Amino acid sequence: SQQGEEDPQALSIQEGENATMNCSYKTSINNLQWYRQNSGRGLVHLILIRSNEREKHSGRLRVTLDTSKKSSSLLITASRAADTASYFCATEEGGSYIPTFGRGTSLIVHP
Amino acid sequence: KAGVTQTPRYLIKTRGQQVTLSCSPISGHRSVSWYQQTPGQGLQFLFEYFSETQRNKGNFPGRFSGRQFSNSRSEMNVSTLELGDSALYLCASSLGALGEQFFGPGTRLTVL
Repeated sequence: SQQGEEDPQALSIQEGENATMNCSYKTSINNLQWYRQNSGRGLVHLILIRSNEREKHSGRLRVTLDTSKKSSSLLITASRAADTASYFCATEEGGSYIPTFGRGTSLIVHP
Repeated sequence: KAGVTQTPRYLIKTRGQQVTLSCSPISGHRSVSWYQQTPGQGLQFLFEYFSETQRNKGNFPGRFSGRQFSNSRSEMNVSTLELGDSALYLCASSLGALGEQFFGPGTRLTVL
């Protein structure tokens, strides 16, 4: 069963615009991670945010976590064509170390 | 530092056969996890090995098995292949407890 669910399923924007994708989950978590996957290849880790953190930044990426709403968002600022990929959130439920991935958001950035 | 490597990259098998996939983690990483990715089910956790012991297991039938060697390299075996086993199989390594994982490029298995 999927723990994290990303929204929207697909997002199409122009280069330079910001892209926001959301992840919702059902139970308490230890941490939440965001990954990127290009064209059916391996995943690349982007950011890990722990349950006691509210916001983290990494370059053009900003992740927020709202544990009261059981949701997280990933913001990519000033997007580039190279950001075109699928983005997944992964959660580890409290007491478990089994990461559960959502179905992903497919982002297309048009040059 | 070399990344996670998986072999083979592509594989075609027929129903009923068995297959073994290999994963070499990043040097120094002791945890290796395996995932199955399909369009229908998305990314699903198969199992995780740490220091040659299976530490966590997902909800897959016993046809899916794995092992880890003393050098942290891991293999995954699927016996009696079914059409539904066609998928991208991803291996990921991490230093210790599951957290930031480094993924390999995957093995794309096609079952005919």
